[in-house]
Amino acid sequence: GESVGLHLPTLSVQEGDNSIINCAYSNSASDYFIWYKQESGKGPQFIIDIRSNMDKRQGQRVTVLLNKTVKHLSLQIAATQPGDSAVYFCAEKSTGNQFYFGTGTSLTVIP
Amino acid sequence: DSGVTQTPKHLITATGQRVTLRCSPRSGDLSVYWYQQSLDQGLQFLIQYYNGEERAKGNILERFSAQQFPDLHSELNLSSLELGDSALYFCASSVGLMKVETQYFGPGTRLLVL
Repeated sequence: GESVGLHLPTLSVQEGDNSIINCAYSNSASDYFIWYKQESGKGPQFIIDIRSNMDKRQGQRVTVLLNKTVKHLSLQIAATQPGDSAVYFCAEKSTGNQFYFGTGTSLTVIP
Repeated sequence: DSGVTQTPKHLITATGQRVTLRCSPRSGDLSVYWYQQSLDQGLQFLIQYYNGEERAKGNILERFSAQQFPDLHSELNLSSLELGDSALYFCASSVGLMKVETQYFGPGTRLLVL
């Protein structure tokens, strides 16, 4: 089966600093990736996606980087705010329509 | 708000019982996915339906079943419940079957089996 893992289960950053959340995936055939944010008591919320034919994609305050050589995905959050505190999941899709999710990284923003 | 709705929000039941979780996808979405999220676990894919038909199966137990109705809402049936079935159950929907398609998640149903 698929294996999507996260390097750090928890991350604490100062408000205003940049955050980097990492994710490793095992299937080199995966060609679509999504980062989700999950706040306590809520469902996962789409943040940003990237296709395998891209190395970088930027959104509002977020950037996703994809390194296919080492099968690594990262999410960068600029000027982290208290509202960014949540669990972040990366998800990969290879064959079929199902996503495989990592166990998540808990981001805590320190005011 | 993702546009995906799930009911009930909370459910408490006893071992051996049967429950039904309901999901309404976003308007226009034909695919519905069910996921289970246990403590310390990531999201585990259970099953997918597209336009009323089963399309993919993941780690779904035989005690669990699902269906998607003509109006595209979906139900997940969990029977002979065990303590270990206590978890958050999420429904997600997407437009169709395209490879590059975002899945939008509902708020989840929290199931507690006592």
